[in-house]
Amino acid sequence: AQKVTQAQTEISVVEKEDVTLDCVYETRDTTYYLFWYKQPPSGELVFLIRRNSFDEQNEISGRYSWNFQKSTSSFNFTITASQVVDSAVYFCALSEGGGSEKLVFGKGTKLTVNP
Amino acid sequence: DAGVIQSPRHEVTEMGQEVTLRCKPISGHNSLFWYRQTMMRGLELLIYFNNNVPIDDSGMPEDRFSAKMPNASFSTLKIQPSEPRDSAVYFCASSPLGVARGQGRTEAFFGQGTRLTVV
Repeated sequence: AQKVTQAQTEISVVEKEDVTLDCVYETRDTTYYLFWYKQPPSGELVFLIRRNSFDEQNEISGRYSWNFQKSTSSFNFTITASQVVDSAVYFCALSEGGGSEKLVFGKGTKLTVNP
Repeated sequence: DAGVIQSPRHEVTEMGQEVTLRCKPISGHNSLFWYRQTMMRGLELLIYFNNNVPIDDSGMPEDRFSAKMPNASFSTLKIQPSEPRDSAVYFCASSPLGVARGQGRTEAFFGQGTRLTVV
């Protein structure tokens, strides 16, 4: 069965600090896809990144970076020099590579960036 | 493209009433998903369709819930009769990829959600 664990329920930082959001996943499939979504206070879900299980390269997009490590089944998300606008709930999600397109979400990490 | 469009954005109804949530997916997307978000259970998949056909409805809580997709541009999620425990935010999402293994997987695009309150 697939499962995503985001152990950090809430994180609070001061602006300009770096922050890492943890994500650990479980799956028996060798082909799978990992995602991060952002849910700002307005409530919509905004896609941030997708990774497939065959691509372990880390990715950087501006102040955002992602570290995918199959050896530890982790897909962590780092925000560098955080800003108040980064305040949101962040969800990690997993989709297995078989017939189902089902996304299984973690419980989310609420990030608060204080000025 | 306008993105995934859901209506209504907010719905307040009395226990026992029928509630219908609506969704228009992004044009050209062939997969449509209904998710529910609550504080207790987080985001959970209720049902999804591929090419208008229900593929996985294992997340539908009980017979009070039903979903239809009569065509590629419209889907409904109906709750009859509604109960206070159905209060949640219901998201519709669409994706351009199908179920065949090997096609890869792209992200799902979410609508703004419908906040349902059953009193």
